[in-house]
Amino acid sequence: DAKTTQPNSMESNEEEPVHLPCNHSTISGTDYIHWYRQLPSQGPEYVIHGLTSNVNNRMASLAIAEDRKSSTLILHRATLRDAAVYYCILSATTNFGNEKLTFGTGTRLTIIP
Amino acid sequence: GAGVSQSPSNKVTEKGKDVELRCDPISGHTALYWYRQSLGQGLEFLIYFQGNSAPDKSGLPSDRFSAERTGGSVSTLTIQRTQQEDSAVYLCASSLIGGAEAFFGQGTRLTVV
Repeated sequence: DAKTTQPNSMESNEEEPVHLPCNHSTISGTDYIHWYRQLPSQGPEYVIHGLTSNVNNRMASLAIAEDRKSSTLILHRATLRDAAVYYCILSATTNFGNEKLTFGTGTRLTIIP
Repeated sequence: GAGVSQSPSNKVTEKGKDVELRCDPISGHTALYWYRQSLGQGLEFLIYFQGNSAPDKSGLPSDRFSAERTGGSVSTLTIQRTQQEDSAVYLCASSLIGGAEAFFGQGTRLTVV
């Protein structure tokens, strides 16, 4: 399995943008980059995914490096509700559901009021 | 139901007893995953199903753990002769094959006393 590396923890002030990095230097050409987050006492929830181009949805933006060896999840305006553990994982969507999803230790994001 | 449902939400059992944890995936989702999460730790993969088959059982910690899925729907994770180190939150997720999002349940918190 291609592995991802994330910082253990980050802090950000409320109402400011947050940039969460993920390194995936061994990513294959068919791997998509997925982000999930886990709020306290809840199961993980999907945030966003992408392949090569930057992606935006209502929750966040995903910026993918040109060489695809790293990516950044961007929360444009952090709220207290965004305090969670954020996981970056790789999977080929054509193979999604045909392989295990490997979660690393993620980044624990703390939002400072 | 609209989401992945797990039962019970909490289970306290005595050491040495057997327990069964249930997962009802989203209707039509062929893929089903089991994870466990010990206090303050990341997600540990246990097993996943494609339909009723389990191509990857590599994460099951010991032969005390087993899982089955019937009718391509409900899955049961069974832990025999529970030990205190089995205490954790057991999470279930489901997805479409070739989809891009796994949906997680709220988990079952298992406490072995």
